[in-house]
Amino acid sequence: TQLLEQSPQFLSIQEGENLTVYCNSSSVFSSLQWYRQEPGEGPVLLVTVVTGGEVKKLKRLTFQFGDARKDSSLHITAAQPGDTGLYLCAGESSGSRLTFGEGTQLTVNP
Amino acid sequence: EAQVTQNPRYLITVTGKKLTVTCSQNMNHEYMSWYRQDPGLGLRQIYYSMNVEVTDKGDVPEGYKVSRKEKRNFPLILESPSPNQTSLYFCASSNDKGLAGNEQFFGPGTRLTVL
Repeated sequence: TQLLEQSPQFLSIQEGENLTVYCNSSSVFSSLQWYRQEPGEGPVLLVTVVTGGEVKKLKRLTFQFGDARKDSSLHITAAQPGDTGLYLCAGESSGSRLTFGEGTQLTVNP
Repeated sequence: EAQVTQNPRYLITVTGKKLTVTCSQNMNHEYMSWYRQDPGLGLRQIYYSMNVEVTDKGDVPEGYKVSRKEKRNFPLILESPSPNQTSLYFCASSNDKGLAGNEQFFGPGTRLTVL
């Protein structure tokens, strides 16, 4: 079983601060997805990165896929209380298997 | 409205009493999957299906069964539930034969408690 380790597991910051969440593995993935989950709901896709070294931006969120396609990061600039949620990375391997990280619970305080 | 629906949303049952959690999608998706979510363990894939009558085991299939007789439905069956199957379950679907980086759409979740 391929493993994805996310860090940190919990993050509590003040509004306006920047943060980075990391997703690491010893395995190579064909693509990597980032999801955000609100309490009582299912995860919702934020972005998919496919190419090693790829960088995608979604407003204040910047996603990067490592050159070797084994790791990824999510950077949030000037965090807002609305960014609060559980952030999950998920790596796709052969056979359409999707392996999720444990998640990072982000709390942005006003 | 395009969506994945699950029923029931909440279920409390006793050990050994067979149960089925239904999942249905209205997006004509070929790929469907079941996950369980537990604190500190993230989402773990139970079973997935790449098309009608095609199912395969995920990472934690023990104690579960699935079927895919129709494209839109993918029920999860627990023949003899045990307390370690107490969890939050999610069904998901995707619009391609495989994932291939395509978005998975998740249902709202089913919280199961086995006493």
